Amino acid sequence: AQSVTQLGSHVSVSEGALVLLRCNYSSSVPPYLFWYVQYPNQGLQLLLKYTSAATLVKGINGFEAEFKKSETSFHLTKPSAHMSDAAEYFCAVSDGGYGGSQGNLIFGKGTKLSVKP
Amino acid sequence: DSGVTQTPKHLITATGQRVTLRCSPRSGDLSVYWYQQSLDQGLQFLIQYYNGEERAKGNILERFSAQQFPDLHSELNLSSLELGDSALYFCASSDGRGWANVLTFGAGSRLTVL
Repeated sequence: AQSVTQLGSHVSVSEGALVLLRCNYSSSVPPYLFWYVQYPNQGLQLLLKYTSAATLVKGINGFEAEFKKSETSFHLTKPSAHMSDAAEYFCAVSDGGYGGSQGNLIFGKGTKLSVKP
Repeated sequence: DSGVTQTPKHLITATGQRVTLRCSPRSGDLSVYWYQQSLDQGLQFLIQYYNGEERAKGNILERFSAQQFPDLHSELNLSSLELGDSALYFCASSDGRGWANVLTFGAGSRLTVL
């Protein structure tokens, strides 16, 4: 069964510093991977998705993620953090159609990003 | 506004009671998913419907049930409520085609069981 593990439940960076949020996946088939962001008191919003077209995926708000099969990783990065990036970030893998499901997402536990001025 | 509408936004009820959460998917989306978000369990997939039919089941308790109606809106029914059912319940929708389809989430319904 597919799963994702997010390393670090809390990450704190200074404004302008590099953001690196880690995600490792487990999948018996080529995975479809996603990053979602959840701002306080809001639903989840898609940042980017990997569907095997390119290993480096660019998303919204300056975020990008690189798929590394050898490391089973899909880490999220942003070169320069902004105060508005403070939120919780979730990595997810598509359930891949087993048991009749299609497109259901399995989420990691989430990483809360704090940005210090 | 994501286009996925959930009501009510907040709900406070007592143990043993039954509640219904409602979700209207984004226009054109045929698939609806329900998730439960709690501090200890994180985001847990409950159930998925596609065009009125159940497509997949996750960690949904027997006390919980859902359905998707002909107009594609969905309801999640939670009965014999326990304190541990207090959580944020999200509905998401997608066009339901393929493994890489994007889920669009609603703002959630926060359930508090006292």
